[in-house]
Amino acid sequence: RKEVEQDPGPFNVPEGATVAFNCTYSNSASQSFFWYRQDCRKEPKLLMSVYSSGNEDGRFTAQLNRASQYISLLIRDSKLSDSATYLCVVIPNSNYQLIWGAGTKLIIKP
Amino acid sequence: EAGVTQFPSHSVIEKGQTVTLRCDPISGHDNLYWYRRVMGKEIKFLLHFVKESKQDESGMPNNRFLAERTGGTYSTLKVQPAELEDSGVYFCASSRPTLAGGYNEQFFGPGTRLTVL
Repeated sequence: RKEVEQDPGPFNVPEGATVAFNCTYSNSASQSFFWYRQDCRKEPKLLMSVYSSGNEDGRFTAQLNRASQYISLLIRDSKLSDSATYLCVVIPNSNYQLIWGAGTKLIIKP
Repeated sequence: EAGVTQFPSHSVIEKGQTVTLRCDPISGHDNLYWYRRVMGKEIKFLLHFVKESKQDESGMPNNRFLAERTGGTYSTLKVQPAELEDSGVYFCASSRPTLAGGYNEQFFGPGTRLTVL
């Protein structure tokens, strides 16, 4: 079983719609959780950290469910510029080694 | 503030040859990381430097890979001899000095796309 699992997609979503991704992780002792965004042939960039209480940044909302070991990302009012691959990232312990999911590809269509 | 830079952006070599990748972290970032993404797979951690010391090299695939960070500034990752399965994108990231129990965002370079023929 992979340490971090994501649905690879692609998710084809019309502009303006709401879309949600989930990601599951295997290590129950994992400490930190993030969503990264990666555009085609570019480096990954931090989108948002995921806190136990959940957090929101504009149109983006991230949630953590420790009991079920998954994190989610919700994008509201999707824009064409949201098209990218969204990578779920977990830090399993204190050594700051990032464990990556394979990513979920999102395509926003006009 | 200049970002993380990597050189070269692309490298095409033949099996058995040697390639050296370079990473220049953001100035003042003590932490430097190497990651690799093989086509169709997730990004994988290779190793972590704190200044010039290897903090964690548990992700290095085998002894054909050698990473150095002499002087604690830029880092090199040498693959010798290269094999077909080494093809992929090699990312470098850096972050500020870490306080106990804390985490600082890792900033990524644009990557080096390595193709071994």
